[in-house]
Amino acid sequence: QKEVEQNSGPLSVPEGAIASLNCTYSDRGSQSFFWYRQYSGKSPELIMFIYSNGDKEDGRFTAQLNKASQYVSLLIRDSQPSDSATYLCGYNFNKFYFGSGTKLNVKP
Amino acid sequence: KAGVTQTPRYLIKTRGQQVTLSCSPISGHRSVSWYQQTPGQGLQFLFEYFSETQRNKGNFPGRFSGRQFSNSRSEMNVSTLELGDSALYLCASGNSGGSTDTQYFGPGTRLTVL
Repeated sequence: QKEVEQNSGPLSVPEGAIASLNCTYSDRGSQSFFWYRQYSGKSPELIMFIYSNGDKEDGRFTAQLNKASQYVSLLIRDSQPSDSATYLCGYNFNKFYFGSGTKLNVKP
Repeated sequence: KAGVTQTPRYLIKTRGQQVTLSCSPISGHRSVSWYQQTPGQGLQFLFEYFSETQRNKGNFPGRFSGRQFSNSRSEMNVSTLELGDSALYLCASGNSGGSTDTQYFGPGTRLTVL
């Protein structure tokens, strides 16, 4: 079993819609969770981190963490074509673990 | 603050050669991690250094090695290159290396092995 599971996608949403990206993880002791955005040919860019159960909002992005269910999600409101990228979920538990990423396509 | 820098950005080598990649972390950061990214395998953890000591290691053969200097700069070496080593090698720096630390990636070094 992989430490981090993500649907590889692609997830296609129309411009202006809400994109919902999901991730499950295996280590119950994990304390910190991250979402990175990676454009094709570029390196991952940190967009959100969350430590506590519940929601954390930053602009159009909301991260949701449920430690009991070992589940973390990322909502992107008012999706734009510039949001089209691969989104990597990860966590830090002694070292960093990353999922394989979900490819998001936002169609104009 | 300047971000994480990696040199060189692109490398072309032939099988059997060796290569050294360099990473300079964000000023003040003491943790440096290395990753290999390929289309098929995703982001694979190689190793992490903190204050010149290797703290964690991934499941890669001994041909992959690294070190960290007193100024936190890090190098990664791959000996006896194989075709399968062609990948994007990413360096990431963190502040404390603790369980709530975040990582910031450099632009990567694209290695092609012919």
